[in-house]
Amino acid sequence: DAGVIQSPRHEVTEMGQEVTLRCKPISGHNSLFWYRQTMMRGLELLIYFNNNVPIDDSGMPEDRFSAKMPNASFSTLKIQPSEPRDSAVYFCASSFTGGDGYTFGSGTRLTVV
Amino acid sequence: KQEVTQIPAALSVPEGENLVLNCSFTDSAIYNLQWFRQDPGKGLTSLLLIQSSQREQTSGRLNASLDKSSGRSTLYIAASQPGDSATYLCAVTGNQFYFGTGTSLTVIP
Repeated sequence: DAGVIQSPRHEVTEMGQEVTLRCKPISGHNSLFWYRQTMMRGLELLIYFNNNVPIDDSGMPEDRFSAKMPNASFSTLKIQPSEPRDSAVYFCASSFTGGDGYTFGSGTRLTVV
Repeated sequence: KQEVTQIPAALSVPEGENLVLNCSFTDSAIYNLQWFRQDPGKGLTSLLLIQSSQREQTSGRLNASLDKSSGRSTLYIAASQPGDSATYLCAVTGNQFYFGTGTSLTVIP
């Protein structure tokens, strides 16, 4: 298995633009998580899905952030419009309930200028 | 709400030394605890996973223990090497997944 695949690896965009981050979880995993990491706040859980259904989105900072999981093999995190304070590394992780822990993707480093 | 704390926040040791990283959590109702390593600018690598029914797990020079009743876990690194320099995170799985605050480790050659 290639692990959790995130794209793009790096994204530089101008303030106000729409940004879409993508994640392909490990096949067979039924939970998917989006995290944001910054120097100031460390790792923060933004939202997680179980069986493609959003379970807890209380970590989503604002209405500018939205996440979807249309099927078991794909999820997106969208920021519209983006702001400089959204600059961070965004991680996706997947797991199987009751299974062997979590696997993280390599992350997307987002820079909003 | 679960709170996960790691002590110390930063640690610097000479090469070859054995060291212990600590992780404490406030809610003992967990399914498992996982230790991760993060290298600068890179993603998270899972090191060890301990299920709630287990006491410890070992992988090479790493040994992780879990005392659920006291809300503690330790990561023991034997004979540290400069390549061990990284940030180490513990995470617990209960109703949700909670990360610790991290320990930044520097092993000096």
